[in-house]
Amino acid sequence: DAKTTQPNSMESNEEEPVHLPCNHSTISGTDYIHWYRQLPSQGPEYVIHGLTSNVNNRMASLAIAEDRKSSTLILHRATLRDAAVYYCILRANQGGKLIFGQGTELSVKP
Amino acid sequence: DSGVTQTPKHLITATGQRVTLRCSPRSGDLSVYWYQQSLDQGLQFLIQYYNGEERAKGNILERFSAQQFPDLHSELNLSSLELGDSALYFCASSVGPGQETQYFGPGTRLLVL
Repeated sequence: DAKTTQPNSMESNEEEPVHLPCNHSTISGTDYIHWYRQLPSQGPEYVIHGLTSNVNNRMASLAIAEDRKSSTLILHRATLRDAAVYYCILRANQGGKLIFGQGTELSVKP
Repeated sequence: DSGVTQTPKHLITATGQRVTLRCSPRSGDLSVYWYQQSLDQGLQFLIQYYNGEERAKGNILERFSAQQFPDLHSELNLSSLELGDSALYFCASSVGPGQETQYFGPGTRLLVL
């Protein structure tokens, strides 16, 4: 399974945008980029995913580099509730399982 | 609320014992996954079932086993428990066996004394 690299931690101020980077230089052509997050004392939850084009949903945006070797999860206005560990995960086309790395622990200051 | 339920929420037991963790997937989901989260290993995939059949295996110890029943609920059996088995165990479900979004339950916290 291809690996991802994320910063261990990031800080943000409430109501400001947050850009969470992820490097995946060994990504293959059929790997999808998925983001999950884990709020304190909860199970992980799906955030967003994409293959090549940038994606938007009600939670976040996903910007994918043209060469697909990196991506950025964008939270447009961070709230205190967004404090969580964010995981960037590559999933093969048939892949069911999620391979979690260390993730980025995001803290949000009021 | 993800729609995935796990019981029990907490479990305290002794080394050498056997426990069973239960998971009910979201209505309509055919795939069930089990993950273990410990402080030193992070979140690790254990095993996947799809419509009653084992689909994929990860870092699951031989002392651990799982099954998915005809009503699609799943059980994870942990036997000959060791101190190092203390962890959070999450169940997740998805509609299909592949790329679909996984919905996680609240987890079962296991403490082995």
